[in-house]
Amino acid sequence: QKEVEQNSGPLSVPEGAIASLNCTYSDRGSQSFFWYRQYSGKSPELIMFIYSNGDKEDGRFTAQLNKASQYVSLLIRDSQPSDSATYLCAVHGSGNTGKLIFGQGTTLQVKP
Amino acid sequence: DGGITQSPKYLFRKEGQNVTLSCEQNLNHDAMYWYRQDPGQGLRLIYYSQIVNDFQKGDIAEGYSVSREKKESFPLTVTSAQKNPTAFYLCASRSNSHTDTQYFGPGTRLTVL
Repeated sequence: QKEVEQNSGPLSVPEGAIASLNCTYSDRGSQSFFWYRQYSGKSPELIMFIYSNGDKEDGRFTAQLNKASQYVSLLIRDSQPSDSATYLCAVHGSGNTGKLIFGQGTTLQVKP
Repeated sequence: DGGITQSPKYLFRKEGQNVTLSCEQNLNHDAMYWYRQDPGQGLRLIYYSQIVNDFQKGDIAEGYSVSREKKESFPLTVTSAQKNPTAFYLCASRSNSHTDTQYFGPGTRLTVL
């Protein structure tokens, strides 16, 4: 079982729709969770981080965390073609090494 | 202008050669990381360093070496022992705050000819 799992996609949504990206993790001791966006040929850029159960909103992005189900998601409202990218879920496990475990990423395509 | 720089952007290597990838940061971050990304894959950790003059192996350290002589710099050497080095190499540094957030440099794309 992979430590952090994402559906590789592609996930295709029409412009203006809500895109829902999901991630599950195996380490119950995980403390913090991150979403990065990566455009083709570029390096990952941080979108959001979340520590506590529930929702965290930042503009058009909402991160949702459910530690009991070991599940974290990212919602993108009013999706734009510029949101088309690969979204990487990363999990910081127990311990203080700062190591992040990355999922393989979900490719999102927003069609005009 | 704070940030993380990596050089070169593109690097071509002949088989049997060692090459060194540069990573510099002026964010005053203590911890730095090297990842490898293959097409369609997530990031895999090669080496990391939480403090100057100390570093630890990640999940795929074989065929790689690092040094951390200065806080700002964390170079990665890809040795001839690395059997399949063609990949996108990403350097990151971690915020000193409690958030554990990592920020990435622009990456180096290494191709073995």
